[in-house]
Amino acid sequence: AQSVTQLGSHVSVSEGALVLLRCNYSSSVPPYLFWYVQYPNQGLQLLLKYTSAATLVKGINGFEAEFKKSETSFHLTKPSAHMSDAAEYFCAVRSNQGGKLIFGQGTELSVKP
Amino acid sequence: DSGVTQTPKHLITATGQRVTLRCSPRSGDLSVYWYQQSLDQGLQFLIQYYNGEERAKGNILERFSAQQFPDLHSELNLSSLELGDSALYFCASSVAEASGGRSSYNEQFFGPGTRLTVL
Repeated sequence: AQSVTQLGSHVSVSEGALVLLRCNYSSSVPPYLFWYVQYPNQGLQLLLKYTSAATLVKGINGFEAEFKKSETSFHLTKPSAHMSDAAEYFCAVRSNQGGKLIFGQGTELSVKP
Repeated sequence: DSGVTQTPKHLITATGQRVTLRCSPRSGDLSVYWYQQSLDQGLQFLIQYYNGEERAKGNILERFSAQQFPDLHSELNLSSLELGDSALYFCASSVAEASGGRSSYNEQFFGPGTRLTVL
């Protein structure tokens, strides 16, 4: 069965520091992977997606993620954190049985001034 | 703004009651997905419709049901509500069906959610 594991339910960084949110997936077929962001009291917004076209994926707001098949990972990074990045981030894999998304447990990112 | 709308935004009701949550997908999207977000279970897929037909079911309780109408909007009906049903319910839409044989990555766009509180 496909699954997603996000390491660390809470990550805290200082403003201007590197952001690294970890995601590992389990899939028997080439996966379609996504990162979503959820700001307080809002819905989920797509940050970026991996669709096998390129292993390094650039998304919105300066985020990017690298697909590493050998490590079954799809970690999200941003070189310099901004206060407005404080939110919850979800990694997801598209199920190969229908189109549903299977989400990780989420990582709450805090940004300290 | 994703283009997906959900009403109501908040819903407070009592145990044993029945509620209906409504979702309008983005213009042109044929697939609608329902997800439940709770503190203990995280984000869980409930059910998917494509062009009016049920396509996939997830961890949806028998007390819950859904349908997609000819104009493509969808409703999620929750009955005999329990305290544990309190959660955020999201609707998402996508263009395609994304069944097992398709190659499309089938990006999903999420609505703002309905927060259900059962007292």
